[in-house]
Amino acid sequence: EVQVVQSGAEVKKPGESLKISCKGSGYRFIDYWIGWVRQMPGKGLECMGIIAPGDSDTRYSPSFQGQVTISADKSISTAYLQWSSLKASDTGMYYCARLLHGTSGSRWFDPWGQGTLVTVSS
Amino acid sequence: QSVLTQPPSASGTPGQRVTISCSGSSSNIGRNSVNWYQQLPGTTPKLLIYSNNQRPSGVPDRFSGSNSGTSASLAISGLQSEDEADYYCAAWDDSLNAYVFGTGTKVTVL
Repeated sequence: EVQVVQSGAEVKKPGESLKISCKGSGYRFIDYWIGWVRQMPGKGLECMGIIAPGDSDTRYSPSFQGQVTISADKSISTAYLQWSSLKASDTGMYYCARLLHGTSGSRWFDPWGQGTLVTVSS
Repeated sequence: QSVLTQPPSASGTPGQRVTISCSGSSSNIGRNSVNWYQQLPGTTPKLLIYSNNQRPSGVPDRFSGSNSGTSASLAISGLQSEDEADYYCAAWDDSLNAYVFGTGTKVTVL
């Protein structure tokens, strides 16, 4: 079964650092990009960026460039999302998902991880 | 701020047909295929439609997608109570070089 499994919920204070993970299984990890998607409380989905685990080529969405770091370790089929200094506004649910490609510029996320809830509060 | 615009809500009675629109631009829907995701209350988003009109295995044929120019739409025919969820369109944007989601539409079954 193809799946991506994320690390557990985190509670942090403003200013702290954090790295959450996403482990792929059931497929060849380096063959597919992985994306990170944010969902703030009661809000919609926002793609933060994507990474190619094979060579760590990373594309950040403009709103998230410089705000987070996306990385991957292909030896353990795991992608990461990292903050160096959390803010209260980083509170939300973070999903990772495998990115597939079709023809006509089609790209879609499937499957999705179960989500990692990040709470930043003093 | 999302570059794909959806109506915030849509509703219908069981058995009715509901349509959700997704408006974009020449850099996203105008050039690349559209996908749709369903997010049931309190759950992870799930792929519903990919490449404009393709259904993954297990998705009922009550769900269908189409697009024309810089807009796309999702139709739910024979609406059922379990279809109450948030629905998001999405596509690659060549100008932003990023994957973009729509603003989301909450579907209510009356």
